[in-house]
Amino acid sequence: KNQVEQSPQSLIILEGKNCTLQCNYTVSPFSNLRWYKQDTGRGPVSLTIMTFSENTKSNGRYTATLDADTKQSSLHITASQLSDSASYICVVSAGTGGFKTIFGAGTRLFVKA
Amino acid sequence: NAGVTQTPKFQVLKTGQSMTLQCAQDMNHNSMYWYRQDPGMGLRLIYYSASEGTTDKGEVPNGYNVSRLNKREFSLRLESAAPSQTSVYFCASNAYEQYFGPGTRLTVT
Repeated sequence: KNQVEQSPQSLIILEGKNCTLQCNYTVSPFSNLRWYKQDTGRGPVSLTIMTFSENTKSNGRYTATLDADTKQSSLHITASQLSDSASYICVVSAGTGGFKTIFGAGTRLFVKA
Repeated sequence: NAGVTQTPKFQVLKTGQSMTLQCAQDMNHNSMYWYRQDPGMGLRLIYYSASEGTTDKGEVPNGYNVSRLNKREFSLRLESAAPSQTSVYFCASNAYEQYFGPGTRLTVT
């Protein structure tokens, strides 16, 4: 069964600290993995997209890694800011005919002053 | 360039009522999607349209219908709303990167 599991469910950190969010998946055959940021009451916004051949991609203070062998990805946030408070969603797409994209339930990040 | 727009932002329906959620994109994307988002769950695909004139069922299509009116617009219709359809609905479009609308928060009482 194709699944995407994220951990932790929620996380509280102090402003200025770093954090790492995890994503494990069983989607097969793998096509790409995306990380989205979703602010409360808004639609998700894309942070990074990685294909099979990419093992790291950065977008400002956000760095995503991908290990296709272990089917794991992480999103590292450096020097967190209050505006980083949001849900972070891992999304994995399968390389099959039709549409097969699985969304994780997300990690809710709270950054406190 | 407004991206993906959705109307309405909020809606309250009584069980059995019908309504249509509207979505439009101005990025000339071929593919458009309707998702629902429920607490503690990932977004789930209701219907999608790979190109103008085509629509396909997603993971949770029961109780919904869609219309791809033209390349810009993709609407979602609830013919007889049920409390289980209380959710936040997102429209999206993409070429390679997917862009989401702001969402419609629907409550069915």
